[in-house]
Amino acid sequence: ETGVTQTPRHLVMGMTNKKSLKCEQHLGHNAMYWYKQSAKKPLELMFVYNFKEQTENNSVPSRFSPECPNSSHLFLHLHTLQPEDSALYLCASSQVNEQFFGPGTRLTVL
Amino acid sequence: KQEVTQIPAALSVPEGENLVLNCSFTDSAIYNLQWFRQDPGKGLTSLLLIQSSQREQTSGRLNASLDKSSGRSTLYIAASQPGDSATYLCAVGYGQNFVFGPGTRLSVLP
Repeated sequence: ETGVTQTPRHLVMGMTNKKSLKCEQHLGHNAMYWYKQSAKKPLELMFVYNFKEQTENNSVPSRFSPECPNSSHLFLHLHTLQPEDSALYLCASSQVNEQFFGPGTRLTVL
Repeated sequence: KQEVTQIPAALSVPEGENLVLNCSFTDSAIYNLQWFRQDPGKGLTSLLLIQSSQREQTSGRLNASLDKSSGRSTLYIAASQPGDSATYLCAVGYGQNFVFGPGTRLSVLP
């Protein structure tokens, strides 16, 4: 595997479910990011991790819980989501400020 | 608060035309500016990265310029092709934070 990978690519969940999104980067980068992309809205930065430490949390609701066990892996744990959380969730990594993105997870909350 | 806008929101051109996409930002204290393309339902592909000390970058038929003082960047696409059809996004970076514009949806007609 090369670049940034994300699993699953598609996820449908009910509002009471708990699920996790996974991101892995094979680029040796130090920073990893979670973004949310909703229809007709600009990409929204959710979380930033630098050397496994969270450095940004852009007022994201607590039903989204990130985890970064090492510089290569990033998770987004989801619980009691709302239908308005349905979106494309994108992971990115960077080194010296150039970002590289994964293919995204299309999340649908019923 | 940094705000990024892109004009036009959508553009349709015949194959072979040269075109310019515009990106504007409100806070000139940026580290870099990056241009991406996004195909429907997919992740973002990095096209060009311009550091704050640079004026332009070129890659093949693409040329991006940066004027920090006026808060503007342009992406020039030469001899457009149907395969260039996608949404083009600009993102300004400062520290570990990135702010994206809403994108320009480009259609190149054969």
